[in-house]
Amino acid sequence: AQSVTQPDIHITVSEGASLELRCNYSYGATPYLFWYVQSPGQGLQLLLKYFSGDTLVQGIKGFEAEFKRSQSSFNLRKPSVHWSDAAEYFCAVASSTSGTYKYIFGTGTRLKVLA
Amino acid sequence: GAGVSQSPRYKVTKRGQDVTLRCDPISSHATLYWYQQALGQGPEFLTYFNYEAQPDKSGLPSDRFSAERPEGSISTLTIQRTEQRDSAMYRCASSTGTAADTQYFGPGTRLTVL
Repeated sequence: AQSVTQPDIHITVSEGASLELRCNYSYGATPYLFWYVQSPGQGLQLLLKYFSGDTLVQGIKGFEAEFKRSQSSFNLRKPSVHWSDAAEYFCAVASSTSGTYKYIFGTGTRLKVLA
Repeated sequence: GAGVSQSPRYKVTKRGQDVTLRCDPISSHATLYWYQQALGQGPEFLTYFNYEAQPDKSGLPSDRFSAERPEGSISTLTIQRTEQRDSAMYRCASSTGTAADTQYFGPGTRLTVL
């Protein structure tokens, strides 16, 4: 069965430090992978997505993610974190079975940024 | 519309009552999704529509849950005889309609069942 694992429930980094959020997936075919950010009181906003081509994907707000098929991973990175990046981050895989499309989300990683 | 909207934003109800949640997707989007998000969890798929067709109801937790999209635009999610375990954030998303397409999410409806 398809699944997404985000091993880190909480991460705390200092402002200006680098960030890596981990995501591992289980999916039989080539996956469509997404990272979303959820700020308090807001809907989920797409940061970036991967479905083919270059395995290093650039997104909004200075985020990037690298698809590694051999490790079944799609980790999110940012070179220098800003205080406004404090939020909850969700990794998702799009599952397509018999014409049905749905997202399977991880449990999320809550990011805290120290001033 | 400019984005996905949902109403109400908050709903408090007593156990046993019926509730109906509404989603207004982006007007050009064929596909509409409903998710349930429990506290501290990621969103979990409930059902989706392709225009007015509902190809997949596999995520609906029980027959107390139903959804409609009669004219292929606005959708409603109805929970009958609510139970405390139904308390969650209910999120709606829309997209143009393939697995690779971005899903645009609404702000959600926070349901609390007392």
